[in-house]
Amino acid sequence: NAGVTQTPKFRILKIGQSMTLQCAQDMNHNYMYWYRQDPGMGLKLIYYSVGAGITDKGEVPNGYNVSRSTTEDFPLRLELAAPSQTSVYFCASSYLRVGNYEQYFGPGTRLTVT
Amino acid sequence: QQQVKQSPQSLIVQKGGISIINCAYENTAFDYFPWYQQFPGKGPALLIAIRPDVSEKKEGRFTISFNKSAKQFSLHIMDSQPGDSATYFCAGRGNMLTFGGGTRLMVKP
Repeated sequence: NAGVTQTPKFRILKIGQSMTLQCAQDMNHNYMYWYRQDPGMGLKLIYYSVGAGITDKGEVPNGYNVSRSTTEDFPLRLELAAPSQTSVYFCASSYLRVGNYEQYFGPGTRLTVT
Repeated sequence: QQQVKQSPQSLIVQKGGISIINCAYENTAFDYFPWYQQFPGKGPALLIAIRPDVSEKKEGRFTISFNKSAKQFSLHIMDSQPGDSATYFCAGRGNMLTFGGGTRLMVKP
């Protein structure tokens, strides 16, 4: 199993540009998540999905959009990139059942907006 | 409140010493408290976790101590090794995981 994969690894965007961060998992997990990681701030939840066709906002959703058309894929769309979106983005997945809440993280995408 | 406060932000320990990282939470509805370990350039990975009905959990050199009345929990790394140098995140689970700010641990040889 490849686990959770993310592309690209690095990206530099100009202010106002748009891009999609790709995330895929091959573990047949029902839950998927997008986090951003800023220095000293831990991981903040952007959006999550409990299954194909179902998404919901996390703590910091402004400026982002998601979709989940399949169990495997959960892309994150940035529209009109701003410097405040400079961060490291992590995708994660889990198979939620009582007593087992482990999330599996991808390697991250480092995004710089200038 | 969903906040989880973690301290210290950074920690330097000599090889063989004990590393201690502390977390405090506010939401009494949290039902699961994991610790994640993150190496540079990698995503976080689950290290150890505890439920609030248990006061201590030990896995090898890693121990979680949990104080429900004080709403605090801590990670102890015994016999710390240079390979333990990483960033550690605590978290609490309500509807979703709420993470602490992270602790960068450096273990000096």
